[in-house]
Amino acid sequence: DVKVTQSSRYLVKRTGEKVFLECVQDMDHENMFWYRQDPGLGLRLIYFSYDVKMKEKGDIPEGYSVSREKKERFSLILESASTNQTSMYLCASSFRGVTEAFFGQGTRLTVV
Amino acid sequence: AQKVTQAQTEISVVEKEDVTLDCVYETRDTTYYLFWYKQPPSGELVFLIRRNSFDEQNEISGRYSWNFQKSTSSFNFTITASQVVDSAVYFCALSPPLPFTSGTYKYIFGTGTRLKVLA
Repeated sequence: DVKVTQSSRYLVKRTGEKVFLECVQDMDHENMFWYRQDPGLGLRLIYFSYDVKMKEKGDIPEGYSVSREKKERFSLILESASTNQTSMYLCASSFRGVTEAFFGQGTRLTVV
Repeated sequence: AQKVTQAQTEISVVEKEDVTLDCVYETRDTTYYLFWYKQPPSGELVFLIRRNSFDEQNEISGRYSWNFQKSTSSFNFTITASQVVDSAVYFCALSPPLPFTSGTYKYIFGTGTRLKVLA
């Protein structure tokens, strides 16, 4: 079974903290994605990566950065967490080309 | 611009009823792919189906069926004889045909439809 694992299910952080969300996939997928899910807004793409060290901004990259040093790992970084970044964060991966994406279980981040 | 619209925010049905979830998309591409995902309360999106734009045949998988109509840019999802376990948020998504290289794409999701199946 394809496995996409996010490091935490729930996180509570303080405003101004630097926050790392980690995602690991075990299927040798080229593509990895970070989405943010908010009620009424669906899934919005923050960043995606199509290869090691390669990244592309999605629709809402402001306030976020990413790192992909190894093929299986894609990290989302909140440089200085703010309350408006309280949300559910979903990581996904897929093979190159148009195939289905496999999702992690999500990280519910609360910034206080 | 590419866009996916799921106009139904929430639907409630009684168990054993049939229910259809609507999905309307916009794209200028002649080749594209459409997807449906299910998000149960556990949070993980689960892949249900992928269709490409050249294949307009309806698909049936058990109690699930999908109706793809290019003429109306719709890709609707029907659950027959719904069950409580079908309660979830369902997302429709669109993707262009090319591999995901720099400057090209990624999946475009609708806002989701929350389905509640009552016992």
